[in-house]
Amino acid sequence: GQQLNQSPQSMFIQEGEDVSMNCTSSSIFNTWLWYKQDPGEGPVLLIALYKAGELTSNGRLTAQFGITRKDSFLNISASIPSDVGIYFCAAPNSGNTPLVFGKGTRLSVIA
Amino acid sequence: NAGVTQTPKFRILKIGQSMTLQCAQDMNHNYMYWYRQDPGMGLKLIYYSVGAGITDKGEVPNGYNVSRSTTEDFPLRLELAAPSQTSVYFCASKYGQINTEAFFGQGTRLTVV
Repeated sequence: GQQLNQSPQSMFIQEGEDVSMNCTSSSIFNTWLWYKQDPGEGPVLLIALYKAGELTSNGRLTAQFGITRKDSFLNISASIPSDVGIYFCAAPNSGNTPLVFGKGTRLSVIA
Repeated sequence: NAGVTQTPKFRILKIGQSMTLQCAQDMNHNYMYWYRQDPGMGLKLIYYSVGAGITDKGEVPNGYNVSRSTTEDFPLRLELAAPSQTSVYFCASKYGQINTEAFFGQGTRLTVV
């Protein structure tokens, strides 16, 4: 099946630093989604991207839909302790089929 | 607003036992999903449903069964629990086809010993 490759697998950063992570695939997608999972909770949608080249912000988070439609990037500016968690990229296989998820990027913020 | 509710939150099963993980949503969503999350891994799709009476297998359906008799409920059944089914299980729902957000429950942590 289609796979989403996320990198890095984990990150340890100092509070206040900016963070970048990405998601790539050999397949083309029409939608890219970024979710965050807090410890002990289910994933929550952060940003949805629907158009190639689209750049969308949600507070300190900015995500981009790659122009080739095979990748997406998530940036977090000025990280704070509550940014800790696992960040997943996700995309629908096709049409109305369920989301495929990457393996996640585990973010740790050191105060 | 309840959203997606999963019960129980935690469960320990012995090998060979059976159980049903409950999932209910109150948002009138047509689409419902069951995922499992193993340590260090992403979410893998077990089963999904696009409406009452319709279910389909996902990536890892073996050892599980589902039913969708109502729009609100999508229970996941384990008939003969095995250690390989130790995982965190997430139920999710969304209203329509593409371009709509999927809402997740808080998960059920299952350990099979």
